[in-house]
Amino acid sequence: DTEVTQTPKHLVMGMTNKKSLKCEQHMGHRAMYWYKQKAKKPPELMFVYSYEKLSINESVPSRFSPECPNSSLLNLHLHALQPEDSALYLCASSTREGGLNEQFFGPGTRLTVL
Amino acid sequence: QKEVEQNSGPLSVPEGAIASLNCTYSDRGSQSFFWYRQYSGKSPELIMFIYSNGDKEDGRFTAQLNKASQYVSLLIRDSQPSDSATYLCAVNPVYGQNFVFGPGTRLSVLP
Repeated sequence: DTEVTQTPKHLVMGMTNKKSLKCEQHMGHRAMYWYKQKAKKPPELMFVYSYEKLSINESVPSRFSPECPNSSLLNLHLHALQPEDSALYLCASSTREGGLNEQFFGPGTRLTVL
Repeated sequence: QKEVEQNSGPLSVPEGAIASLNCTYSDRGSQSFFWYRQYSGKSPELIMFIYSNGDKEDGRFTAQLNKASQYVSLLIRDSQPSDSATYLCAVNPVYGQNFVFGPGTRLSVLP
């Protein structure tokens, strides 16, 4: 299994809603990543988990809250988002963090904040 | 500031031609280099990676790395309309650090 899965594929939420994005991989990877991608821009790193511990938080607003329940799962909890948070949210995984380790991306969740 | 630069394009090539995509990076200590293809509305897909100076070939794709010139390129031979996509160059600046993506080059292969 060489796949990273993400649910849901699409999400529409209001600014007062609370929702969660889910990411799963069964490749035995020990590093997992959340990226945000706006149209015609490259992915922008948000968070990195390495061995289930938060390794990097790229100064992301607290309305985004990551969680890594186990080595296969990564969640991103969303609360009180703004319309400018509308984007494609990508999850990725790699054998280890950084170095010579290629990252594999999931299909993404297209988020629209109304 | 670690930077990765690419021509934004669009780069247009006729079907069957060689497409050449270029990427330069600022951090001389960078260790590993990756090319991703991203179709519109889809997620990035890894197509090549290269760690050592020289060429690396995989099917119609060749990655070329020149660390002295801080330059990495991707050649696509016998380009097909299905190769039309944005190509993202990603660089790991230093061992243990995370990807820096270039802005991407949009490639259009004309039938």
